[in-house]
Amino acid sequence: SQKIEQNSEALNIQEGKTATLTCNYTNYSPAYLQWYRQDPGRGPVFLLLIRENEKEKRKERLKVTFDTTLKQSLFHITASQPADSATYLCALDRGYGNNRLAFGKGNQVVVIP
Amino acid sequence: DSGVTQTPKHLITATGQRVTLRCSPRSGDLSVYWYQQSLDQGLQFLIQYYNGEERAKGNILERFSAQQFPDLHSELNLSSLELGDSALYFCASSVGSGTLRKNIQYFGAGTRLSVL
Repeated sequence: SQKIEQNSEALNIQEGKTATLTCNYTNYSPAYLQWYRQDPGRGPVFLLLIRENEKEKRKERLKVTFDTTLKQSLFHITASQPADSATYLCALDRGYGNNRLAFGKGNQVVVIP
Repeated sequence: DSGVTQTPKHLITATGQRVTLRCSPRSGDLSVYWYQQSLDQGLQFLIQYYNGEERAKGNILERFSAQQFPDLHSELNLSSLELGDSALYFCASSVGSGTLRKNIQYFGAGTRLSVL
């Protein structure tokens, strides 16, 4: 069956350090992978999109990698700040058909001042 | 502000009742998606509409139904409500076709449903 796995344990990290989150998937062949941020009680907000033929994508302090051989994406927040505390979700996109995204359950990040 | 509007923000009702959740997508977006999110679950995809037509169904119960109207707004109807239906319900929209960014989804603030 298809699975998208993100660490269920919160990542506690000191301010200024780099937070690294993992998204692993099985029985999927995504053409794109997206990352979203969700704050408590709010809707997810799009952060980054990476295509299957891209190894890495950056946006300000965020970096995403996509390894289709390992079936894994890594999401990095460099120089983390308390305002980065949130839950981060990965989402897989086949790139065709009904455009439906498949979301992981998310990984919470807590940045300690 | 994502540009996606959901109403109401909160809804408190009793078991057995029926409610309607409303969603207005971003201007120009043709696809609307509905999700359910409870405390111990991630985002559970319910249903997608594209330009008025049902495009995909996920884990949507038979007691739930949705539609997308000609002006592209959408409604999610939940009937014979049970305690377990208490959750956050999100609507999202996307362009849906034509560009690389077609599948980026923009989420509303959600409707928090409490069934007592």
